[in-house]
Amino acid sequence: AQSVTQLDSQVPVFEEAPVELRCNYSSSVSVYLFWYVQYPNQGLQLLLKYLSGSTLVKGINGFEAEFNKSQTSFHLRKPSVHISDTAEYFCAVSERSSGTYKYIFGTGTRLKVLA
Amino acid sequence: NAGVTQTPKFQVLKTGQSMTLQCAQDMNHNSMYWYRQDPGMGLRLIYYSASEGTTDKGEVPNGYNVSRLNKREFSLRLESAAPSQTSVYFCASSELATGTYGYTFGSGTRLTVV
Repeated sequence: AQSVTQLDSQVPVFEEAPVELRCNYSSSVSVYLFWYVQYPNQGLQLLLKYLSGSTLVKGINGFEAEFNKSQTSFHLRKPSVHISDTAEYFCAVSERSSGTYKYIFGTGTRLKVLA
Repeated sequence: NAGVTQTPKFQVLKTGQSMTLQCAQDMNHNSMYWYRQDPGMGLRLIYYSASEGTTDKGEVPNGYNVSRLNKREFSLRLESAAPSQTSVYFCASSELATGTYGYTFGSGTRLTVV
């Protein structure tokens, strides 16, 4: 992937509302796709991953993501958010490049859940 | 079930001082990585070690050196710290160099260079 784009740097949403965090990537080869979550003052934690097979993948904490090859997207969704979902979310792509694998992170989307 | 352990958690250095950030993983992972995280810039790879005995430069290696001491440990050294190296540093590991199963991150080291 030459780039991973998370268009929204911040997303405010009210508690119990649905949310979608967008991720687009550019790549001409097969990729593996990931979403990570980072709570304040902590490291990143794997939420979910797409390797192959079903394009809808489910992760921890009720999150899911859909891989769309034609649109080169991997958007993260949750039908009803909680205050505890307030965190920064990173999309990442792993692709084979020149005999090795490159792992590229997006710049992150800060999700703020409002009461 | 410690995962990836980083020490220290916080550090303040004066310009020109040196220090080593330590990282150890107990998951028998083959690959290890050092990233820095700066506001608005996401994560940038400093160095990585695809397997024990190998190290390679990442996106921003200048001013840093690394040592893969054994399969468990991967240290990052700042020989002469500069204010531009003020950042949060994360160590990560993965079972495979492909990162197929995802990365496991440590909790970070917050470094301030004054």
